[in-house]
Amino acid sequence: SQTIHQWPATLVQPVGSPLSLECTVEGTSNPNLYWYRQAAGRGLQLLFYSVGIGQISSEVPQNLSASRPQDRQFILSSKKLLLSDSGFYLCAWSGGGVGYGYTFGSGTRLTVV
Amino acid sequence: DQQVKQNSPSLSVQEGRISILNCDYTNSMFDYFLWYKKYPAEGPTFLISISSIKDKNEDGRFTVFLNKSAKHLSLHIVPSQPGDSAVYFCAARLTGNTPLVFGKGTRLSVIA
Repeated sequence: SQTIHQWPATLVQPVGSPLSLECTVEGTSNPNLYWYRQAAGRGLQLLFYSVGIGQISSEVPQNLSASRPQDRQFILSSKKLLLSDSGFYLCAWSGGGVGYGYTFGSGTRLTVV
Repeated sequence: DQQVKQNSPSLSVQEGRISILNCDYTNSMFDYFLWYKKYPAEGPTFLISISSIKDKNEDGRFTVFLNKSAKHLSLHIVPSQPGDSAVYFCAARLTGNTPLVFGKGTRLSVIA
């Protein structure tokens, strides 16, 4: 069966520090991968998505970036965090077809202080 | 421009009664709609979906209704249970590999 792993679960980082959040999927190949952020009052905001290795689409201009170095690995990064980057970050995967849509990871609560 | 709107940020219902969560959309090209349920500090989990060619889909206590002419869908939960207390997200899909578009969510509280 397919599983998605996301870590760390919680993170407190100072303003201006770098960020690296990792997401991996098991039990499937060539998944579509997504990074979402849930900020207060803003629902689920799509940040990046990838349909293959090295293919990244950015939905929201900001100081975050994403990379997909391997088929089932998706990384969210920042060189310098801002206070406004605080939120709950969610990784998700899909097989690309209809049905159950996305399967989400357990999320990372990022607090920038 | 918000294409999927959940205008009620919160809803409170008594246990055993019906919960109705609403969702409106603006893009008539959406072909698939989904509802997700999210508990605090967890990722959303899939609940129920409906294709744009249908007007109703039922799964146990959960029923989703789609009114394409009004660009409106609703999720009915009956009977509501305390464990249903969560944030519910409505989502819509344009075609194939395009990312899902999510609403802002509605927090449902089921009171015992």
